[in-house]
Amino acid sequence: DGGITQSPKYLFRKEGQNVTLSCEQNLNHDAMYWYRQDPGQGLRLIYYSQIVNDFQKGDIAEGYSVSREKKESFPLTVTSAQKNPTAFYLCASSPAGEVNEQFFGPGTRLTVL
Amino acid sequence: GQNIDQPTEMTATEGAIVQINCTYQTSGFNGLFWYQQHAGEAPTFLSYNVLDGLEEKGRFSSFLSRSKGYSYLLLKELQMKDSASYLCAVMDSNYQLIWGAGTKLIIKP
Repeated sequence: DGGITQSPKYLFRKEGQNVTLSCEQNLNHDAMYWYRQDPGQGLRLIYYSQIVNDFQKGDIAEGYSVSREKKESFPLTVTSAQKNPTAFYLCASSPAGEVNEQFFGPGTRLTVL
Repeated sequence: GQNIDQPTEMTATEGAIVQINCTYQTSGFNGLFWYQQHAGEAPTFLSYNVLDGLEEKGRFSSFLSRSKGYSYLLLKELQMKDSASYLCAVMDSNYQLIWGAGTKLIIKP
């Protein structure tokens, strides 16, 4: 079955610690995205990547970092510089081309204590 | 600035019809998407409109008016499993998706 996996589903960290969220896809999609979802707000784009070894900042990249060393993987690191990291994080992917639907992973709920 | 507006919450009765509206102001337009999201789960794609008019897909239909910056999602023969949030998203001139905050739909028996 093709799809996107994110792990873990729930993650707890102490304030001041960096944490890395995993995102893997076997859909052979070129583009991958990280969004943050907070109650009462639309999804906000953190980072996106349209090709291996290249990525761009989204609207709220401060305090986050990513890498795209493989087509299948797009991990997101939430650093201690992110002032309000507690949120629901969604990873998505889409085929190459400008207009395509995005397919989402199940999400990771990060709670920073 | 770019803006997508949807009602925060709607309530409907099982078996009825509901229309969820979405208005938008964006830098350019390359289509409008509707997604369904059950609580704590991933959004799933419902529809895509780029031309004016109505697109029908089973119990769900989506309408677009580009001149009015307006779309709606119409759900017919509502079922309890339709209780979810419905997200409207517009692809702007940079081919980035701008998301609304979502409409939480509550279905009552």
